[in-house]
Amino acid sequence: DTEVTQTPKHLVMGMTNKKSLKCEQHMGHRAMYWYKQKAKKPPELMFVYSYEKLSINESVPSRFSPECPNSSLLNLHLHALQPEDSALYLCASSQEAWGNNEQFFGPGTRLTVL
Amino acid sequence: GENVEQHPSTLSVQEGDSAVIKCTYSDSASNYFPWYKQELGKGPQLIIDIRSNVGEKKDQRIAVTLNKTAKHFSLHITETQPEDSAVYFCAALYSGGGADGLTFGKGTHLIIQP
Repeated sequence: DTEVTQTPKHLVMGMTNKKSLKCEQHMGHRAMYWYKQKAKKPPELMFVYSYEKLSINESVPSRFSPECPNSSLLNLHLHALQPEDSALYLCASSQEAWGNNEQFFGPGTRLTVL
Repeated sequence: GENVEQHPSTLSVQEGDSAVIKCTYSDSASNYFPWYKQELGKGPQLIIDIRSNVGEKKDQRIAVTLNKTAKHFSLHITETQPEDSAVYFCAALYSGGGADGLTFGKGTHLIIQP
């Protein structure tokens, strides 16, 4: 299995809702990432997990809360989002070994905040 | 932090011709340079990468060159086909300091004219 899967594919939520995005990989990768991509822009890093521990938080607002329950799963919990948070949320994974940082991306979750 | 510049933002070529996309980076410590292809509605797909100990790498119709002194790298696609139409992103990363996020260029919309 050489892919990163993400669910749901699309999500529409109100500003008072709580929802979660899910990412899964079965490649034995020990680093997992959340990126945010606005329309016609490049992906921007949000969080990095290394060996299930949060290693990088790019000053993301607390309304985004990541979680890594095990080495194969990565969640992003959403609460009290704003319309400007509407974007494509991408998950990626890599082996987390020195000199081997190929990052493989999932298809993304298209989030719309009303 | 790293800054990656990418040109052109849009590139239109005739089917069968070659396409070249150029990127420059600012951080001389960066040593890993991947290229991603993103089709509409999909996540970025890694198509080729190069490390700083190599000057050129080729995979069928795709090649990447790296000039460490000038801090620039380029993607070359030969014999372009309609399925090459997509947005291409270059990226840079220091590989060796643990898991870290990619810094992307702004992207190039490649259009293959039939």
